[in-house]
Amino acid sequence: GESVGLHLPTLSVQEGDNSIINCAYSNSASDYFIWYKQESGKGPQFIIDIRSNMDKRQGQRVTVLLNKTVKHLSLQIAATQPGDSAVYFCAENGGRSGGSYIPTFGRGTSLIVHP
Amino acid sequence: NAGVMQNPRHLVRRRGQEARLRCSPVKGHSHVYWYRQLPEEGLKFMVYLQKENIIDESGMPKERFSAEFPKEGPSILRIQQVVRGDSAAYFCASSPPQTGGTEAFFGQGTRLTVV
Repeated sequence: GESVGLHLPTLSVQEGDNSIINCAYSNSASDYFIWYKQESGKGPQFIIDIRSNMDKRQGQRVTVLLNKTVKHLSLQIAATQPGDSAVYFCAENGGRSGGSYIPTFGRGTSLIVHP
Repeated sequence: NAGVMQNPRHLVRRRGQEARLRCSPVKGHSHVYWYRQLPEEGLKFMVYLQKENIIDESGMPKERFSAEFPKEGPSILRIQQVVRGDSAAYFCASSPPQTGGTEAFFGQGTRLTVV
């Protein structure tokens, strides 16, 4: 069936290093993707999104890359800080009921930043 | 500018009782989504509502669960006759109509514990 999945459940990095979190999706009809950050005990926080007509999008310290050929998405965090420690989810638009998107989440990757 | 407000933050219920979870969307947002999250897992879509309408409830269990989003007041997720397996974090997200659901902002969640 259609699914969104992540390659690594846990990623440990040193403060100041760059982090790359990967995500694979299988629904070739998906045309909108979002990365969320979830800190312990909190709700998911929107980080950055990308539409399928783009290959790359940059935000503040974050870059999302989309490879539609292999249905792969990545989130790059530059100069990772301890405050970046959280679980990161990629989500795809999983449906268009009523003309709207329904974000469908993968399992998540836990990013641990060591000082 | 208040974000998505969920209450209560923590809810303890005995088996067989009813649980009512409330979600006040961002002012002006007319789309509401409910998700359930088990420990160490991603968010699972439950239901998508617009004002006074259920648009997609494909993720809702067929029994005991219901949701509403009245014209006035918060969205309510209701779980009747709770069982231990209902213990989870329940998150609500809202989005404005003009973005078609692509800018979904999440609340802090309600953590339901069934004892």
